[in-house]
Amino acid sequence: DAKTTQPPSMDCAEGRAANLPCNHSTISGNEYVYWYRQIHSQGPQYIIHGLKNNETNEMASLIITEDRKSSTLILPHATLRDTAVYYCIEIRRSNYKLTFGKGTLLTVNP
Amino acid sequence: DVKVTQSSRYLVKRTGEKVFLECVQDMDHENMFWYRQDPGLGLRLIYFSYDVKMKEKGDIPEGYSVSREKKERFSLILESASTNQTSMYLCASGKTDFSGANVLTFGAGSRLTVL
Repeated sequence: DAKTTQPPSMDCAEGRAANLPCNHSTISGNEYVYWYRQIHSQGPQYIIHGLKNNETNEMASLIITEDRKSSTLILPHATLRDTAVYYCIEIRRSNYKLTFGKGTLLTVNP
Repeated sequence: DVKVTQSSRYLVKRTGEKVFLECVQDMDHENMFWYRQDPGLGLRLIYFSYDVKMKEKGDIPEGYSVSREKKERFSLILESASTNQTSMYLCASGKTDFSGANVLTFGAGSRLTVL
């Protein structure tokens, strides 16, 4: 799987939108972009995934650029409980091997 | 909700001991994974399995083996534990959907200390 690039850390004020960027400049046409997060001392939790269209679910929105070289995860109204490490990963369709990078530590401040 | 249960939350073992880490999932997922997580290194894939009795090496399989005799259970085995295997071990399961997507559900983790 190709590598992704994320900032190591970000801050966000409680109640504001958190926008987490991810670069995946070498992504190929059959690779999904997945986002997971890991709250301290817990296992990672799935958030959302997409191929080329923007996606939204009850947790977040995923905006993928038209050239698919980058994406942004949006938490519309961040809460203190959203403080976590957020991982953006690329996975080839039907690939079983999922490799995580180091992610972005998002700190939501009161 | 899908549940992935890891048998032990905390273990302390001695160098040279054989260690079994058990993982059970209750949603009939085909795919199961073992990762280890260390500070500054993120999650690293040890082994995965996409069917009963099938296994494939991940990025760091050395020093580990796995067993998948039943669909719901995936065991990680350290034949002779060493201090550099002190880590957090995370099990995950997933199912490939009709679009080819594969969403994982993780267990809470097992923190192993090897003395």
